[in-house]
Amino acid sequence: EIVLTQSPGTLSLSPGERATLSCRASQSVSSSYLAWYQQKPGQAPRLLIYGASNRATGIPDRFSDSGSGSDFTLTISRLEPEDFAVYYCQQYGSSPRTFGQGTKVEIK
Amino acid sequence: QVQLADSGGGLVKPGGSLRLSCAASGFTFSDYYMSWIRQAPGKGLEWVSYISSSGSTIYYADSVKGRFTISRDNAQNSLYLQMNSLRAEDTAVYYCARLNGAFDYWGQGTLVTVSS
Repeated sequence: EIVLTQSPGTLSLSPGERATLSCRASQSVSSSYLAWYQQKPGQAPRLLIYGASNRATGIPDRFSDSGSGSDFTLTISRLEPEDFAVYYCQQYGSSPRTFGQGTKVEIK
Repeated sequence: QVQLADSGGGLVKPGGSLRLSCAASGFTFSDYYMSWIRQAPGKGLEWVSYISSSGSTIYYADSVKGRFTISRDNAQNSLYLQMNSLRAEDTAVYYCARLNGAFDYWGQGTLVTVSS
């Protein structure tokens, strides 16, 4: 099983700042099979990015990802008020499909 | 638009059973793999099971293997999760999700609480 470790656990930032979230895999993951989700309190997760930098429908271009092998990064270029949430990475290149434990982006 | 409506959650005693349902609309259900994912209170996401578009291929997480059964009815555009021998650690919000590589659409979730 591929274990995904996200860091930091919590990121305290102000609106307008840049957020950089890390996801490290215990084994190599093809960037084509790495996804990022956003979850707000009381809501279901929402797909943000999948398969090597493809943004899901309706996701603004301030969200981007990068990385390869076992190190991946989600970047939010300028935080908007609606971006404060928990973010999860997930790999779907091998079974079982696994998620990271999440990074909370909170308002500083 | 794609919609997934989870239902069937509730309070059940340890050892009991529950059947979750997910009604799909807005896409050709029979073309897609589907999945169940759960989230324990205050915790992260855990993939539970998935089923192929025809229902011929099924996988389970080790934590539920032998206790949970995923199924689908393509004529009714519905996905199901039969949960038996429930344990306290199965307490979670259960989401159905469309599997399109990543999980691209999610239901709103249904809460399952296992407690005496």
